[in-house]
Amino acid sequence: DTAVSQTPKYLVTQMGNDKSIKCEQNLGHDTMYWYKQDSKKFLKIMFSYNNKELIINETVPNRFSPKSPDKAHLNLHINSLELGDSAVYFCASSQGQSNSPLHFGNGTRLTVT
Amino acid sequence: GEDVEQSLFLSVREGDSSVINCTYTDSSSTYLYWYKQEPGAGLQLLTYIFSNMDMKQDQRLTVLLNKKDKHLSLRIADTQTGDSAIYFCAERTGSQGNLIFGKGTKLSVKP
Repeated sequence: DTAVSQTPKYLVTQMGNDKSIKCEQNLGHDTMYWYKQDSKKFLKIMFSYNNKELIINETVPNRFSPKSPDKAHLNLHINSLELGDSAVYFCASSQGQSNSPLHFGNGTRLTVT
Repeated sequence: GEDVEQSLFLSVREGDSSVINCTYTDSSSTYLYWYKQEPGAGLQLLTYIFSNMDMKQDQRLTVLLNKKDKHLSLRIADTQTGDSAIYFCAERTGSQGNLIFGKGTKLSVKP
């Protein structure tokens, strides 16, 4: 009965490869997010979708492309992976954009070699 | 711009109280949050406070909000070794609704 689930938990790949991370929430929320946590534990918003529409797109390289097939899913595809992409990526969801707290998945640790 | 500041480290003895402080800049923040991250784990929502409240208590946790000074604190009473983690303060603004996080305070609890 996991609320926000991400797969895979770990992802090790070589530079130049393309990879995807999947996220699903069963909370009935209408807003989903991707956050990046770097090696110093700093968390930064990457993208946010509300009812499948993109509402936040921070200054993220266009190698990163989110896709929301429905409001319960928000996947992240990364092209031409670089060493600097190594981080922990967190998916989150909330109901609405202003009041309710964000609920986070357990993260995907991406290591690019 | 929006910014959230916290000290990076705090060390306490088991049984003592811990106080983690946070300052934020956006006066239009509607809600302020505390999240806990244990090693290798995700972010767990601990508690949150609406901006028109001064205090919120939840078992061992007490949140104090000074809206005039834009200062938020989290007090953990009777701190246990299991409380060792990184604690993130976050503000939620009205503009786009995403959370702006502080850099996290690493709490170490010594037996």
